[in-house]
Amino acid sequence: EAGVAQSPRYKIIEKRQSVAFWCNPISGHATLYWYQQILGQGPKLLIQFQNNGVVDDSQLPKDRFSAERLKGVDSTLKIQPAKLEDSAVYLCASKGLAGGRADTQYFGPGTRLTVL
Amino acid sequence: SQQGEEDPQALSIQEGENATMNCSYKTSINNLQWYRQNSGRGLVHLILIRSNEREKHSGRLRVTLDTSKKSSSLLITASRAADTASYFCATAAGNMLTFGGGTRLMVKP
Repeated sequence: EAGVAQSPRYKIIEKRQSVAFWCNPISGHATLYWYQQILGQGPKLLIQFQNNGVVDDSQLPKDRFSAERLKGVDSTLKIQPAKLEDSAVYLCASKGLAGGRADTQYFGPGTRLTVL
Repeated sequence: SQQGEEDPQALSIQEGENATMNCSYKTSINNLQWYRQNSGRGLVHLILIRSNEREKHSGRLRVTLDTSKKSSSLLITASRAADTASYFCATAAGNMLTFGGGTRLMVKP
């Protein structure tokens, strides 16, 4: 069974530039999450989708971050414009009834963003 | 804000020894989960313990949960060099997970 796919794996940009990350969850998983993990810290939830609807985006900095999951499968997370403090690993996770445990989130390998 | 706080923040042991990590949290939970993260990789789910359970085992892992003290512990027995990683507890309420800051475990061969 394929896991959660993310791309790119690494991205280096200058501040004020834009960047986008892509996530393909495990097939059949209805719930998709984006997390931000700053070096040395635990992951922090940015946004949660249920199918193509947003369940929780209370910790998403909406002035610069946006996310969508138009067809209820793949998702993109965008930062525009990026700041130095956005340097982090961006993790995507999915959860659902298809495969594995229904109460477990399965994580992708993450995208490491460096903002110079 | 982070719900769980792990203790210690870092732990260094010799191969074959046991490693114990603790997690404290603040609010009511449905379950508590432990994840492992190798350097530069995503998180791997290790074990889940529900709020009505007190202890759970999986291979060399033993997890305890004390809801009265709002705390959990993860014990790794007979550690191996391959266990070197960061370990995170995550508390679940509804569909959301809230992670602690992690314990960085180093197992020396």
